[in-house]
Amino acid sequence: AQTVTQSQPEMSVQEAETVTLSCTYDTSENNYYLFWYKQPPSRQMILVIRQEAYKQQNATENRFSVNFQKAAKSFSLKISDSQLGDTAMYFCAFMKPRPIQGAQKLVFGQGTRLTINP
Amino acid sequence: DTAVSQTPKYLVTQMGNDKSIKCEQNLGHDTMYWYKQDSKKFLKIMFSYNNKELIINETVPNRFSPKSPDKAHLNLHINSLELGDSAVYFCASSPQPYRTGFGYTFGSGTRLTVV
Repeated sequence: AQTVTQSQPEMSVQEAETVTLSCTYDTSENNYYLFWYKQPPSRQMILVIRQEAYKQQNATENRFSVNFQKAAKSFSLKISDSQLGDTAMYFCAFMKPRPIQGAQKLVFGQGTRLTINP
Repeated sequence: DTAVSQTPKYLVTQMGNDKSIKCEQNLGHDTMYWYKQDSKKFLKIMFSYNNKELIINETVPNRFSPKSPDKAHLNLHINSLELGDSAVYFCASSPQPYRTGFGYTFGSGTRLTVV
């Protein structure tokens, strides 16, 4: 079974700083998908960024980028120029490449609570 | 215009009661899910339906029964509620079969408190 580990329960940085959230995972699959989701105090789960394992290039979305190290099974999220609105729980998640009769299970890490201070 | 909508957003009820949470998506997705987020914020899948058919049923007590009247709706009924059922329940949907790996669209969650 796949497992996802986020080793940083909490992090705190000053506004405008850069912060990196760690994620490691365990799988025997060669191809898969990785995600970072953000959950602000509003509770809504918001997709931040997505990476396909067969792509060498790291995904980027504006101020958000990932460092995907396939051999090390590591998938960290970097937030540049952090803003107060980035304060949230961040979840790393893993998905197998092949759906089971159309359903694809997302396996989540424990989450990292990120606080951006003014 | 909400893509995945859940009702109610908050639910407070006594032990032993039966309650339902409703979920509807207007994205045209074929697959819908229920996830439970516990007090430590851990998210775990409970069920998945594809076009009204149950596909994934994780180790969930029989008191939890999902129902999908059509592919746009997935409701969760819980019998004989227990204190340990207190959690946030998320509904989600995803497109399939050819658009794999695009993640889910989540509803805003239902916070269930059993007293």
